[in-house]
Amino acid sequence: QKEVEQNSGPLSVPEGAIASLNCTYSDRGSQSFFWYRQYSGKSPELIMSIYSNGDKEDGRFTAQLNKASQYVSLLIRDSQPSDSATYLCAVIGSSASKIIFGSGTRLSIRP
Amino acid sequence: DVKVTQSSRYLVKRTGEKVFLECVQDMDHENMFWYRQDPGLGLRLIYFSYDVKMKEKGDIPEGYSVSREKKERFSLILESASTNQTSMYLCASSSQGIWENTIYFGEGSWLTVV
Repeated sequence: QKEVEQNSGPLSVPEGAIASLNCTYSDRGSQSFFWYRQYSGKSPELIMSIYSNGDKEDGRFTAQLNKASQYVSLLIRDSQPSDSATYLCAVIGSSASKIIFGSGTRLSIRP
Repeated sequence: DVKVTQSSRYLVKRTGEKVFLECVQDMDHENMFWYRQDPGLGLRLIYFSYDVKMKEKGDIPEGYSVSREKKERFSLILESASTNQTSMYLCASSSQGIWENTIYFGEGSWLTVV
């Protein structure tokens, strides 16, 4: 089992709809969770971080964390074509020695 | 704003050459990382460093070495480049206290080994 798992996609969502991206992790002691967006040919950029169970909202983005289920998700409301990118889930495990990245979900927003 | 600078963006090297990839960060971060990213494989950690002159192996250190002589600079070295090291290499940094500290990436170095 991979330490951080994401569906590779592509996930196709119509413009204006809600895009839902999911991530599961194996280390039950993990404390810190991040979502990065990566455009083709570019480096990852941070969208959101979340550390506590529940929801965290920032503009059109909402991160959701459920530590009991070892699950973190990212919702993008009112999806725009500029949201088309690969989204990377990242987790800092219980050892706190390094950050582990999922392989990413490719999101495509269709007009 | 945090700035992580990778001086070489695009390189083409021959098999067997020694390759240096340089990374400099300007935020006095303690932690620095080197990843490579390949299609379908995501980001894989090569080496990381928590302090000057300290280094730790990541998940795929074979064929690579690193150097951190100064806090702001972390170099990745390919002693004898091979074609399977053709990839995008990403340098990153973060401050100490990794639990709640964001990792910031450089723009990436695209290496082709022929």
